[in-house]
Order: sequence, then structure tokens, then C-alpha cells
Amino acid sequence: DVKVTQSSRYLVKRTGEKVFLECVQDMDHENMFWYRQDPGLGLRLIYFSYDVKMKEKGDIPEGYSVSREKKERFSLILESASTNQTSMYLCASRGFGGLNTGELFFGEGSRLTVL
Amino acid sequence: AQSVTQLGSHVSVSEGALVLLRCNYSSSVPPYLFWYVQYPNQGLQLLLKYTTGATLVKGINGFEAEFKKSETSFHLTKPSAHMSDAAEYFCAVSGMNTGFQKLVFGTGTRLLVSP
Repeated sequence: DVKVTQSSRYLVKRTGEKVFLECVQDMDHENMFWYRQDPGLGLRLIYFSYDVKMKEKGDIPEGYSVSREKKERFSLILESASTNQTSMYLCASRGFGGLNTGELFFGEGSRLTVL
Repeated sequence: AQSVTQLGSHVSVSEGALVLLRCNYSSSVPPYLFWYVQYPNQGLQLLLKYTTGATLVKGINGFEAEFKKSETSFHLTKPSAHMSDAAEYFCAVSGMNTGFQKLVFGTGTRLLVSP
């Protein structure tokens, strides 16, 4: 079974803390994505990565950064968490062979609450 | 550029009734179209996709969708709803173009199924 694993399902952090959200995929996929999901807004793309050490801004990158040092791992970093970053974060991956038609495989999500 | 509009944030049906979830898209290039489903506390999984060829696409769990270019629509249907179909459904579009294309999601429709 293909798998995208997000390290933390639920996190509670305080304003100003540095937050790391980790995502690991076991499918040898080149492309990886971080989305944010909010009620009424759907999924919005934060950052994506074509391949190892490659990263591109999505539609809402402000306040976030990412790291892709190994092919299987894509980390989302909140340098200084704020209450408006309280949300569900979804990681996804896609193989290069699928490019634009290929299925995105999603993790189960990380629900972050910033107090 | 691509965008997706899902009409109705909530749709309620009775068990056994027809399910119809609406999706309209906008794309400057021929589109690839997708429907994803999200069950409570889970990530998204692919229901079906249209790339090229037959415009009526069949997916998992008895769902199907028809690509209508003239109406820029890709509505999702199922003849008879089951209680287990209660979930949130997302329509998404990417571009039929060379090079990397981001997947753009709609805001989602929550399907409620009553006994």
C-alpha cells in the first residue's frame, strides 16, 4: 500500500513558537506538496517541490518555509507561529510519471492549533 | 490559469436518492479534471479523473462524472446514495500543458445522507 505519513495528527503550540510539520512518502515520488485546508476555503497550496532540494512557492507561502533534503521527506516550517495559522495541514505526493494527470496521494493531515 | 467553482457547500440527500454534486471550471488550456473525497479525520483520496478520451468517467464506489466542454462542467453523480457516502467532496483542475501544473481545488461540498 502506498503511504504518505504526517508525523503529528494534532499539535497545540503557542504564538511565536517555531513549528515543524514532517511528511514522509514511501512511493519514491518526485513531487511533494503542502496544502492548508480551512472551512469554506478548500485546499490552498502553500509550497511544493519538484524534486530533492527544489522548492517553489504556492499561492499562500507567507509565514511558511519548507525543506526537502531527501526525496522521501518534505517538511513545512512555521518560523513564528501565529493564531491565523491555526488550520489543517495536508501533505501530498505525486510521481513524475503522472505529471499533471497523476493522482495526488495525501497524508491524513496535521491539525495545528496556535494559542 | 485555472479555477474551480463548486455550487453548494452542503448537499443533503436521503439514502437511495440520486447524488449530484456540481463543479464548474475555468481554464485557459484544455483541462484535466479530478474529484477527490475526504472522509472525517482523513486525507483526500481520488474518486475519478478525466484526462483525455471518453467524457463519461467512472470512479470508485459507484460514482461517475461527465466532462462537458460546452458547459465547462464536471458534475459528480451517483444513482443511489449510501450512508457511507457522507463525506466532503472536492473538485480540482490542472492544465493540459507541458511542464509542471499545479492542481487547483474547489472549496468543497459536504454530502449529508439521511436514513
